[in-house]
Amino acid sequence: DGGITQSPKYLFRKEGQNVTLSCEQNLNHDAMYWYRQDPGQGLRLIYYSQIVNDFQKGDIAEGYSVSREKKESFPLTVTSAQKNPTAFYLCASSRGAGAANVQFFGPGTRLTVL
Amino acid sequence: KQEVTQIPAALSVPEGENLVLNCSFTDSAIYNLQWFRQDPGKGLTSLLLIQSSQREQTSGRLNASLDKSSGRSTLYIAASQPGDSATYLCAEGIQGAQKLVFGQGTRLTINP
Repeated sequence: DGGITQSPKYLFRKEGQNVTLSCEQNLNHDAMYWYRQDPGQGLRLIYYSQIVNDFQKGDIAEGYSVSREKKESFPLTVTSAQKNPTAFYLCASSRGAGAANVQFFGPGTRLTVL
Repeated sequence: KQEVTQIPAALSVPEGENLVLNCSFTDSAIYNLQWFRQDPGKGLTSLLLIQSSQREQTSGRLNASLDKSSGRSTLYIAASQPGDSATYLCAEGIQGAQKLVFGQGTRLTINP
């Protein structure tokens, strides 16, 4: 089956620790995205990548980092510099970047800082 | 500033009713408007996508409309069922932009 997988489903972090969220897609999509969702709010874009070895900051990139070494993978690291990291994180991919391309979403990772 | 607003934040109706969810957007450079469904603790599932040149799209009991002049989109759900209970989000795709702008969502509950 083609799709997007995210792992883990739940993640707990102590303050001061960095954690990495995994996102993998087998849709052969060039573009990938990371969004953050807080209760009662819409999704906000953290980072996006239009192609391998390239990525751009979104609206709320501070305290996060990404890499895009493979077309299939777009991991997100939540660093200790992120002041309020507890949230639901969603990864998406699309054939190309831009509004003309429909985005497909993964099942999400819920991160909780203890 | 690009904003997408969904009102109400929550809606509860009896099973069988027809209902309308509202979405308003401020950026006139709209490329498309997409409606998503999100079940609790899950990712987003795309329901309907309306191109800026279109006025509506239909899929089964769902009908989405787009009025660019007023900056509004509606999602009409006919003959609602308990399985329709979920959060519905709209997102505006903007010309020349790489991202979607999301509304806050409407949490819908259909009571048996």
